[in-house]
Amino acid sequence: TQLLEQSPQFLSIQEGENLTVYCNSSSVFSSLQWYRQEPGEGPVLLVTVVTGGEVKKLKRLTFQFGDARKDSSLHITAAQPGDTGLYLCAGASSNTGKLIFGQGTTLQVKP
Amino acid sequence: KAGVTQTPRYLIKTRGQQVTLSCSPISGHRSVSWYQQTPGQGLQFLFEYFSETQRNKGNFPGRFSGRQFSNSRSEMNVSTLELGDSALYLCASSRQASSYEQYFGPGTRLTVT
Repeated sequence: TQLLEQSPQFLSIQEGENLTVYCNSSSVFSSLQWYRQEPGEGPVLLVTVVTGGEVKKLKRLTFQFGDARKDSSLHITAAQPGDTGLYLCAGASSNTGKLIFGQGTTLQVKP
Repeated sequence: KAGVTQTPRYLIKTRGQQVTLSCSPISGHRSVSWYQQTPGQGLQFLFEYFSETQRNKGNFPGRFSGRQFSNSRSEMNVSTLELGDSALYLCASSRQASSYEQYFGPGTRLTVT
C-alpha cells in the first residue's frame, strides 16, 4: 500500500516567518501535487512536479520534488495570514492510476 | 470557464437512508473522481469514471456506488447510511483518465444522524 506522510500535522506561526512542510513516502510516484484547501471548500491545485529534483516557485512558495521521486517539500517565505489553510500533498501512482493523498498540514499564520 | 459544481452543498440524513450526490465537471473534462474527506482518515479515493465507465475503485464497501452520464456529469450514491459516512464528499474532474491534475469542487457536507 502506498502511503504519503506529511509533517508537521499542525503549524502555527507569526506573520513574516518562514516554514517548510514535508511529504514523504517509501514509494516512487510518477508525479506529485500540492493542494491548498480552505474551510468549506475543495482543495485547489497549487503545483505539479514531475521530474526528480525539480524545483518550482509560485510567488513566495517553493516546491521541490526529491531526486528519487519519493518525497517533496513546500517552503513558504515570509508567511502571511492569507496563507492559512490545509496543505495537502498527493502522489500519482503509475501502477494504479490513483491519486494518494497525505493527511495534510494545517497552517495558521497569525497577524 | 465554470469550475466543478456539486449539489447539494449540505445534506442531513438519518441512519439507514440512502443519498445521491451530484457533480458537474469542468466543460471538456471527461474524467470524474470522487473522494471522501474526514478529519480522521483524510482524503480517500472512492472511484473514478471516464466515458461513463468506472476505471478505478477505492477500498469502500458496496454501499458506495456511482455512475457517469454521457455529458460527463456524475452521481454517487450511498445506501443504508451509517453514522461513519458523515464526511465531506469531494468530486474532482480532469481532462483525461487517471490524470494527476485534478480540479475539485466545493464538496457536499453529509451529516448522518
